[in-house]
Amino acid sequence: KAGVTQTPRYLIKTRGQQVTLSCSPISGHRSVSWYQQTPGQGLQFLFEYFSETQRNKGNFPGRFSGRQFSNSRSEMNVSTLELGDSALYLCASSFDRPGLARRGTDTQYFGPGTRLTVL
Amino acid sequence: KNQVEQSPQSLIILEGKNCTLQCNYTVSPFSNLRWYKQDTGRGPVSLTIMTFSENTKSNGRYTATLDADTKQSSLHITASQLSDSASYICVVSAQQAGTALIFGKGTTLSVSS
Repeated sequence: KAGVTQTPRYLIKTRGQQVTLSCSPISGHRSVSWYQQTPGQGLQFLFEYFSETQRNKGNFPGRFSGRQFSNSRSEMNVSTLELGDSALYLCASSFDRPGLARRGTDTQYFGPGTRLTVL
Repeated sequence: KNQVEQSPQSLIILEGKNCTLQCNYTVSPFSNLRWYKQDTGRGPVSLTIMTFSENTKSNGRYTATLDADTKQSSLHITASQLSDSASYICVVSAQQAGTALIFGKGTTLSVSS
């Protein structure tokens, strides 16, 4: 079974530009969550999608948005990039929504991440 | 406020030695607790998952314990190897609608020869 894939793996942008990151979940997984990871801050939750609907959103500005398609693939978009947006963006998929399942069916499997550098 | 605190922040040990990482949480209502291992430049990988009724779970040389009364968990690594060098992240899931995953900031473990 193929794991979670994210594209691109590396990205360099300049301030003010926008970027779109893509995530393909494990086949059969319906939930996709996005996280931002920076040194010293750990993983910070961006948003969660389930059945094409955003179910929850973290404390990030409106410049960060996302969507999920009918095949569960997800994209996230960051507009008007700032230097502070430089980070590793991780996507995680699970069969059930995190926190709502029994015995591990909500275990998240992470992709390798997209390393975004904003110059 | 739901929080997960991990200690120590970083740790250096010699190859072959044992070590224990700590995770304290204030998450309610509690659903489950996971430990993840994250190698540099890669996404986290699940090591163990424990529900309220479980107090020990092993995965090879990794043993996680959970004390739901004191809201503490530990991850014990036995006979450490160089490949254990990574960040270990404790994640607590709250049993509620909407995402309820609370992440600790992780412990960075360095195993040296």
